[in-house]
Amino acid sequence: QKEVEQDPGPLSVPEGAIVSLNCTYSNSAFQYFMWYRQYSRKGPELLMYTYSSGNKEDGRFTAQVDKSSKYISLFIRDSQPSDSATYLCAMSETSGTYKYIFGTGTRLKVLA
Amino acid sequence: GAGVSQSPSNKVTEKGKDVELRCDPISGHTALYWYRQSLGQGLEFLIYFQGNSAPDKSGLPSDRFSAERTGGSVSTLTIQRTQQEDSAVYLCASSTRGGSNQPQHFGDGTRLSIL
Repeated sequence: QKEVEQDPGPLSVPEGAIVSLNCTYSNSAFQYFMWYRQYSRKGPELLMYTYSSGNKEDGRFTAQVDKSSKYISLFIRDSQPSDSATYLCAMSETSGTYKYIFGTGTRLKVLA
Repeated sequence: GAGVSQSPSNKVTEKGKDVELRCDPISGHTALYWYRQSLGQGLEFLIYFQGNSAPDKSGLPSDRFSAERTGGSVSTLTIQRTQQEDSAVYLCASSTRGGSNQPQHFGDGTRLSIL
């Protein structure tokens, strides 16, 4: 079993829809949770960076962390065709080298 | 530069050749990471640098892989005697400091193809 599980998709939604992306994990030592967006042939771009449990909002993006369920989510409101990309979740512990453990990514397509 | 810079952006080489991949981190970032992204796989950690030291090399898949960092800045990942399974995108990330968790910022990677 992988430390971080993420549905690979693809996920297709109409423009304007609310998108929900999720990851589950098994390592209870994870305390930092990140979401990255990756366009084709580009590097991952940091979207959200959160510590421990709770919600964080930034514009159209909301990140949620539920440590009791070992489950994190990214919500995208009013989705746009420009949001079409692969979304990667990443996690790390509070000590050591802070290397990130990534999910495999969910491919999202927003249809105009 | 404004972001993490990697070169070359693409590299095609024959099996058995050595390759060098370069990463120029964001200015002032002391922590540097190398990851590998294979088709259908997530990003896989390879090695971490704090300054010029590499306290965590646990992700290097074999002794054909090595990396160094000089002047606390540029890093080079070297793969010797390349194999077809080395074909992947090699990504470099940097963050402001090690010893605590800071967001990692990625370059666009080097796409390596082994014929």
